[in-house]
Amino acid sequence: GAVVSQHPSWVICKSGTSVKIECRSLDFQATTMFWYRQFPKQSLMLMATSNEGSKATYEQGVEKDKFLINHASLTLSTLTVTSAHPEDSSFYICSASPIGYQETQYFGPGTRLLVL
Amino acid sequence: QKEVEQDPGPLSVPEGAIVSLNCTYSNSAFQYFMWYRQYSRKGPELLMYTYSSGNKEDGRFTAQVDKSSKYISLFIRDSQPSDSATYLCAMSGGFQKLVFGTGTRLLVSP
Repeated sequence: GAVVSQHPSWVICKSGTSVKIECRSLDFQATTMFWYRQFPKQSLMLMATSNEGSKATYEQGVEKDKFLINHASLTLSTLTVTSAHPEDSSFYICSASPIGYQETQYFGPGTRLLVL
Repeated sequence: QKEVEQDPGPLSVPEGAIVSLNCTYSNSAFQYFMWYRQYSRKGPELLMYTYSSGNKEDGRFTAQVDKSSKYISLFIRDSQPSDSATYLCAMSGGFQKLVFGTGTRLLVSP
């Protein structure tokens, strides 16, 4: 149980294009989902907290107009990297907290983004 | 000073050894403590979840929390090569936002 999927698992795009990453909780409902970014050999950096049906809360230094988050249902959140640039190349990971277990986060497998 | 300190390693042990992984923290408000395992190019996998102080055992894994010392540990018994991964400690003060350690890279050699 507690499986989180992400799609796509990896993506290569040209500079200036937008990329959408989906995060789904497959066997549980989650009112809260989180988006992280991880650079090589570094820990996870929280980008934003997403609550179903409301606007995401972004961490300091994260551009909300660049990283658009939509949490339309209790099992789906999307992250769109708009006008991607090479410096946006990274490993993006989502997590989800099951309803009633809000201190626990289950992570997706991650999406590797390479912007050329 | 970081809120959570964790030795990045690598920690190299022979197969069958007992592994001890540790984190220290500075925020006394932390009440929820977790250990995640992350294989290369994969998302973190929740291994252990502990609330407040005490021990918790699950198979070959034992998690310990000492809130008075602000110190948490993960022990792995009879370590296997498949345990080779990065182990991340994480903690929160009850407001869902997790604070992670930098991760310790563990290498278990056959």
